[in-house]
Amino acid sequence: ETGVTQTPRHLVMGMTNKKSLKCEQHLGHNAMYWYKQSAKKPLELMFVYNFKEQTENNSVPSRFSPECPNSSHLFLHLHTLQPEDSALYLCASSQWAGASNQPQHFGDGTRLSIL
Amino acid sequence: TQLLEQSPQFLSIQEGENLTVYCNSSSVFSSLQWYRQEPGEGPVLLVTVVTGGEVKKLKRLTFQFGDARKDSSLHITAAQPGDTGLYLCAGVAGGTSYGKLTFGQGTILTVHP
Repeated sequence: ETGVTQTPRHLVMGMTNKKSLKCEQHLGHNAMYWYKQSAKKPLELMFVYNFKEQTENNSVPSRFSPECPNSSHLFLHLHTLQPEDSALYLCASSQWAGASNQPQHFGDGTRLSIL
Repeated sequence: TQLLEQSPQFLSIQEGENLTVYCNSSSVFSSLQWYRQEPGEGPVLLVTVVTGGEVKKLKRLTFQFGDARKDSSLHITAAQPGDTGLYLCAGVAGGTSYGKLTFGQGTILTVHP
């Protein structure tokens, strides 16, 4: 139990569907992150939110739309995805973004498959 | 763009053997973190090294940060099947990207009984 919960754990969707990934952290952290983990590639940072404000968008295509209504919740809205978007999507949180020694606490991820 | 080269990509050894995983970059990091990820789970932090030349020990695991803060290594002594997993190094950026993590590709370790 890491204190970061992601739902759903698995998601299969067609390219024309709209779905959302949810992340909730119970650690009292102020920063939340979305990462993409693909086979044979390093973990890729997608978005960073610090105190509900987006501070990083790592050139992510607009078919991925993040939302952070408060410091405990983070969503990733998905629309018109491509097969190459199939991956494990990981959410993480930390006390706040921008500190060098803070650990990031990861959820167990959502395994996304695009048909 | 900061890159981290992690090697080897795969490591398959027998219980009781020693091993070392390397993490190298041409960039300087303010600190470096090592994570371990098991199948079906997210990465879990093992250690953070901050000072150039720093050595940290966690039971049978020894972590070292290079003097120039560009590289790091993880050494496991007398590996056990419970050490099996994906090991990830992550460099923590300084400067205008302060705090941002850059991950290596990972090392998949399998320890056979």
